[in-house]
Amino acid sequence: QKEVEQNSGPLSVPEGAIASLNCTYSDRGSQSFFWYRQYSGKSPELIMSIYSNGDKEDGRFTAQLNKASQYVSLLIRDSQPSDSATYLCAVTGFQKLVFGTGTRLLVSP
Amino acid sequence: DTEVTQTPKHLVMGMTNKKSLKCEQHMGHRAMYWYKQKAKKPPELMFVYSYEKLSINESVPSRFSPECPNSSLLNLHLHALQPEDSALYLCASSQERGYEQYFGPGTRLTVT
Repeated sequence: QKEVEQNSGPLSVPEGAIASLNCTYSDRGSQSFFWYRQYSGKSPELIMSIYSNGDKEDGRFTAQLNKASQYVSLLIRDSQPSDSATYLCAVTGFQKLVFGTGTRLLVSP
Repeated sequence: DTEVTQTPKHLVMGMTNKKSLKCEQHMGHRAMYWYKQKAKKPPELMFVYSYEKLSINESVPSRFSPECPNSSLLNLHLHALQPEDSALYLCASSQERGYEQYFGPGTRLTVT
């Protein structure tokens, strides 16, 4: 079982829709959870961090964490073509950041 | 300011060359990292420095040699690389190990 799992996609949504990206992790001791956005050929950019159960909102982004289910998600409201990128879920484990393989999001105009 | 800088942006080197990658941050972060990323794969951790001391080496071949001259700088010395080492090399920093990491723009390395 992989430590951090994501659906590779692509996830295709029309402009203006809500994109829902999901991630599961295996280490119950994980404390910190992050979402990074990576455009093709660029470096990962931190867009959300979440540390406790529940929702955290920042602009059009909402991160959701459920430690009991070992599940973290990212919602992008009013998706824009500029949101088209790969979204990497990352979880701290043994003081290292463990990345999922990423979900490619395509937002069509 | 969450800026991490890396130089050079691009590097082409032969298998017998010696080169260095540089990374700098001025956020007062005490943990710095080197990652390697191949196309369509997530970043792969290579080294972690915490308070200027090497704390994690992910069994990286000795042709990659990290150095942390001070709390703001991180170098990666390259020697006798192989074509399969061609990748995007990313530097990141965080306040402490386990905190959110901020990535630099990366160095695109091509080994010929």
